Amino acid sequence: DGGITQSPKYLFRKEGQNVTLSCEQNLNHDAMYWYRQDPGQGLRLIYYSQIVNDFQKGDIAEGYSVSREKKESFPLTVTSAQKNPTAFYLCASSIIPTGNSPLHFGNGTRLTVT
Amino acid sequence: EDKVVQSPLSLVVHEGDTVTLNCSYEVTNFRSLLWYKQEKKAPTFLFMLTSSGIEKKSGRLSSILDKKELFSILNITATQTGDSAIYLCAAGGTSYGKLTFGQGTILTVHP
Repeated sequence: DGGITQSPKYLFRKEGQNVTLSCEQNLNHDAMYWYRQDPGQGLRLIYYSQIVNDFQKGDIAEGYSVSREKKESFPLTVTSAQKNPTAFYLCASSIIPTGNSPLHFGNGTRLTVT
Repeated sequence: EDKVVQSPLSLVVHEGDTVTLNCSYEVTNFRSLLWYKQEKKAPTFLFMLTSSGIEKKSGRLSSILDKKELFSILNITATQTGDSAIYLCAAGGTSYGKLTFGQGTILTVHP
């Protein structure tokens, strides 16, 4: 079955540590995205990538970094510079790199930083 | 700045009721409006609307877009407990990757 796999499901870290969230897709989609979801604020775009070795900042990229070395993989690193990292992180992909294709989402990673 | 606003933010109904969820948007070079259902984990795609006045239907769910008044509604008839979820509205313009999401409406359906 095709889909998007995010791991881990839950992640706990101490303040000051970098942490990397995994996102893998086998849908053969060109475009991939990272969103952050906080209660009452909907989803906010962190980074997106149209193609391998290329990515762009979204609305809230500060304190985050990404890489896109393979079409299937788009890991997100939450650095110690991110002031409020505790949130639910969703990875998504779309079949073509436009702003208007339906997104397919993974099941998310809930990150808690104390 | 692009903006999407959903109302109500939460709604509690009983099985069998009909509900209407609202979504208004202000998006530069608007192209489409999308609805998603989120049950704890991954949002699942419901509808994508690009043309005004054309209703899209899927079972008990339907949605319509008004590009003149810049809003969309999602209707759910004969609600069931399985409809309990967060319903997300998102609007896309011509900027790549730029889907702007609303805050979501939390729907709770009691037996």
